[in-house]
Amino acid sequence: DAGITQSPRHKVTETGTPVTLRCHQTENHRYMYWYRQDPGHGLRLIHYSYGVKDTDKGEVSDGYSVSRSKTEDFLLTLESATSSQTSVYFCAISESRETDTQYFGPGTRLTVL
Amino acid sequence: RKEVEQDPGPFNVPEGATVAFNCTYSNSASQSFFWYRQDCRKEPKLLMSVYSSGNEDGRFTAQLNRASQYISLLIRDSKLSDSATYLCVVPLGSARQLTFGSGTQLTVLP
Repeated sequence: DAGITQSPRHKVTETGTPVTLRCHQTENHRYMYWYRQDPGHGLRLIHYSYGVKDTDKGEVSDGYSVSRSKTEDFLLTLESATSSQTSVYFCAISESRETDTQYFGPGTRLTVL
Repeated sequence: RKEVEQDPGPFNVPEGATVAFNCTYSNSASQSFFWYRQDCRKEPKLLMSVYSSGNEDGRFTAQLNRASQYISLLIRDSKLSDSATYLCVVPLGSARQLTFGSGTQLTVLP
């Protein structure tokens, strides 16, 4: 299995609070992604990174920001969490192009009350 | 119309059965497509990559039909351990990002 960890694995927070999720990889892959998964919607791309300090928006980026200061770490921040951001968040990595095989972390289950 | 569509199922089949899933997509110029499997409350894991017309790996066969814009997954001799949700993945859009279908749920019954 690819070396990808996510923290925390579970989090319950209140509306309006900031939340940061961390993705850490040991594969030295260039590309990293954040997805959210909700029933009936499948996996939807929030943001992705194609190198240190290089990021771009995905399909559902509103309300989220990201940062990548090191190859191995990709952070997802919810500046002011809302109940609509209750979801399961997956980080993924790929070695080269966006369409190469992506390997997923174990996920973070976030509940916003 | 969704960009990637899958029959959500559930498909309930007995052990040993053959089952097939289809996935239709809106438009793609990509050369590569993917099937992932996802167990309950777990992360998606790559099952097969699909290039050109298709790919076979043991009991699993994936086929690509560009003219009709669909990908299929055939599972022969189903095992209990095949019970999972199967995600169709298609590179779409100018950024060539992967777009995931909502998944097809399979339950193999003893």
